[in-house]
Amino acid sequence: DAGVTQSPTHLIKTRGQHVTLRCSPISGHKSVSWYQQVLGQGPQFIFQYYEKEERGRGNFPDRFSARQFPNYSSELNVNALLLGDSALYLCASSLDRMAQYFGPGTRLLVL
Amino acid sequence: QKEVEQDPGPLSVPEGAIVSLNCTYSNSAFQYFMWYRQYSRKGPELLMYTYSSGNKEDGRFTAQVDKSSKYISLFIRDSQPSDSATYLCAMTGSGAGSYQLTFGKGTKLSVIP
Repeated sequence: DAGVTQSPTHLIKTRGQHVTLRCSPISGHKSVSWYQQVLGQGPQFIFQYYEKEERGRGNFPDRFSARQFPNYSSELNVNALLLGDSALYLCASSLDRMAQYFGPGTRLLVL
Repeated sequence: QKEVEQDPGPLSVPEGAIVSLNCTYSNSAFQYFMWYRQYSRKGPELLMYTYSSGNKEDGRFTAQVDKSSKYISLFIRDSQPSDSATYLCAMTGSGAGSYQLTFGKGTKLSVIP
């Protein structure tokens, strides 16, 4: 079975631009969560979606938004990019709260 | 005080050694505990998850949870160079809320041949 897939793998943007990151969960998983991981830190929770509804939101500004589609794939959007948004963005899918499986991540660099 | 504390290391051990990795937490609402392994520039890989206090074993890995002390551990027996990675502890609460995971900073482990 395919694991969690994310696209693109790498992305370079300039300050003020907008970015869209995509995630496809493991087949059968209805929950998708997004995390931001900066170098040397553990991942920080951004959003969780379950059955296309937002279940949780972390301490991130409104420039960050997400949605989940009927096929359970998800998009994370970040507007007005700042240098500090440079990070590895991770998507996790799960059936329940314990076994959450991460994708390879999208590495975003903001110049 | 951070909700989850984890010594970032680095930790360097010889091949074959027993490795002990630990996290402490302050939020008594955390009920589910996981350990992830993350290789450089890759996504975290789920190693083990547990709910109750006590030990859970899977091959060379043993996860231990002590809810009374708010302390969790991961033991790796007969460590191999391929175990060299960053190990992240993560935890979440129960109930109807989100599946939000709270992570430690990660401990970087090097197993020297």
